[in-house]
Amino acid sequence: QVQLQESGPGLVKPSETLSLTCTVSGDSISNFYWSWIRQPPGKGLEWIGYIYYNGNTDYNPSLKTRVTISVDTSKNQFSLKLSSVTAADTAVYYCARYDASGYYLFDYWGQGTLVTVSS
Amino acid sequence: DIQMTQSPSSLSVSVGDRVTITCRASQSISRYLNWYQQKPGKAPKLLIYATSTLQSGVPSRFSGSGSGTAFTLAISSLQPEDFATYYCQQSYITPYTFGQGTKLEIK
Repeated sequence: QVQLQESGPGLVKPSETLSLTCTVSGDSISNFYWSWIRQPPGKGLEWIGYIYYNGNTDYNPSLKTRVTISVDTSKNQFSLKLSSVTAADTAVYYCARYDASGYYLFDYWGQGTLVTVSS
Repeated sequence: DIQMTQSPSSLSVSVGDRVTITCRASQSISRYLNWYQQKPGKAPKLLIYATSTLQSGVPSRFSGSGSGTAFTLAISSLQPEDFATYYCQQSYITPYTFGQGTKLEIK
């Protein structure tokens, strides 16, 4: 059974960089794409971007100038960095497996981690 | 970006009711449409992908249909565990986008 677990600070100051890591168990990170998705409190879902094990990425243009997603295959982890954060970046951040082998879908999700941007 | 619009935004329903949720895309997305169920405090769960294919383990009371720009999620006989928020998502082109959600509430 594939499991994903987000980790990282729950509080980030405005203008600083948000950093999260997703640890994957039950599957090799080299077999799929991996994605970050966020959800502001009480609102809908926003796709942030994805990464393949070889480092290929695609980002949401609305966040592209501030986002970096990276992968560490030796640790079976991938990470998110979001720079110059503001209160608008306060959200639950989910990592998810992105299956692009046929029909494109997010089939396994982490439990999510709330990141609050506040001084 | 492709805009996904769901209707209604919320629905008051009873156990045993048949429920239909509509999702419209701002341009054609063929059949690249997925549905997710989210319960409070939990991550979304994939229900249906490619418009009409049930994810493994999803009860057969759920079904999906549509193509192009208009899609439907149906629940044939609502069960207590189905009260949740449902999101559609287009996987036709990045940036992938979600509908705003439809919340099913107990009447």
